[in-house]
Amino acid sequence: EAQVTQNPRYLITVTGKKLTVTCSQNMNHEYMSWYRQDPGLGLRQIYYSMNVEVTDKGDVPEGYKVSRKEKRNFPLILESPSPNQTSLYFCASSLYPNTGELFFGEGSRLTVL
Amino acid sequence: AQKITQTQPGMFVQEKEAVTLDCTYDTSDQSYGLFWYKQPSSGEMIFLIYQGSYDEQNATEGRYSLNFQKARKSANLVISASQLGDSAMYFCAMRVVGGFKTIFGAGTRLFVKA
Repeated sequence: EAQVTQNPRYLITVTGKKLTVTCSQNMNHEYMSWYRQDPGLGLRQIYYSMNVEVTDKGDVPEGYKVSRKEKRNFPLILESPSPNQTSLYFCASSLYPNTGELFFGEGSRLTVL
Repeated sequence: AQKITQTQPGMFVQEKEAVTLDCTYDTSDQSYGLFWYKQPSSGEMIFLIYQGSYDEQNATEGRYSLNFQKARKSANLVISASQLGDSAMYFCAMRVVGGFKTIFGAGTRLFVKA
């Protein structure tokens, strides 16, 4: 089954404790990206990746890091989480970077205390 | 900078009636794509429909159609014959060709009444 898998789905952590949200897709998509969803703001793009070792900032990259060492994986790293990073996070991939629809993971709800 | 505006935070529609969800966008680029996604209460994001800026015909996918008015920069989603399962949050999004960023609107929550 074609899918984007995120883990963990739910996480409660404390300020400053490094965490990684993993994302993996099995569709051989070159384009992958991360979004955060906050009430009233829709989804905002954090980072995206055009291919292995090629990443770029979205609209809200502060406080986040990403890496793309393999085509299928695109982890999101919060080196020192803060409460304002409490949010619902989505990973997505697309076959065509310009025109293809996004295939989303199920979302990861993160709470930073 | 690109921007998507969805002016209807919430809408009600009677089952079996049609409903239009508004979306306006702002970009100075000529080549772009417009998307609609559905987010049910379970939280997943589901792709509904796509319209390219150079497509002359309005996109349709089953009960979904996209009313694309390029001069007005609007890309409204029309759902015909609403069903209870259509109750969800709906997001309009845009991606500029070559830009690789996807911009989303704030969303419209649709409630379908029996």
